[in-house]
Amino acid sequence: EAGVTQSPTHLIKTRGQQVTLRCSPISGHTSVYWYQQALGLGLQFLLWYDEGEERNRGNFPPRFSGRQFPNYSSELNVNALELEDSALYLCASSTTAGANVLTFGAGSRLTVL
Amino acid sequence: AQKITQTQPGMFVQEKEAVTLDCTYDTSDPSYGLFWYKQPSSGEMIFLIYQGSYDQQNATEGRYSLNFQKARKSANLVISASQLGDSAMYFCAMREGYSSASKIIFGSGTRLSIRP
Repeated sequence: EAGVTQSPTHLIKTRGQQVTLRCSPISGHTSVYWYQQALGLGLQFLLWYDEGEERNRGNFPPRFSGRQFPNYSSELNVNALELEDSALYLCASSTTAGANVLTFGAGSRLTVL
Repeated sequence: AQKITQTQPGMFVQEKEAVTLDCTYDTSDPSYGLFWYKQPSSGEMIFLIYQGSYDQQNATEGRYSLNFQKARKSANLVISASQLGDSAMYFCAMREGYSSASKIIFGSGTRLSIRP
């Protein structure tokens, strides 16, 4: 069974640019979560999608947005990049039944120069 | 608002000793779930153990056990017989309730270093 896949794995952008990160959940998982992890810090909750709808979002500005497609894959978009957006962006998927254990992808490491 | 606190930024433990990583949480919802994840230096997040708020017994998974003290709102992770490969960041996480707006939040983590 394929795990959660994220792309790209690494990318470098400059301030003011826009970036799109992609995530494919485990087959059968309908929920996708996005987290931001700045270097050496914990995971900050960004967005949660389930069945194509945004269920909850963290305390991030509107330039962080995303969507979930009918096949449950998801995109995270960040507009007007700032230096402090440099981080590891982790995607996780889960079912909505039971414990809702998150299975994480390997992450997309974004560097903003 | 839900909150997860890990008060130990870093710990050093001798190989083969047991180690307890602390986690306290704050929620007013009687229904919640608690998780522990391990993040090695490679960056991937690895699920270790889960405890539901209504579970009567403490969760165990191999060398990992969760010391769940509901009244104290603590969910400490216990690793028995530590190994060098246990060196990693450890995160406690909580899902509050089962509503359609429930999200899973993480603590700030504890960096565990195992000494040979």
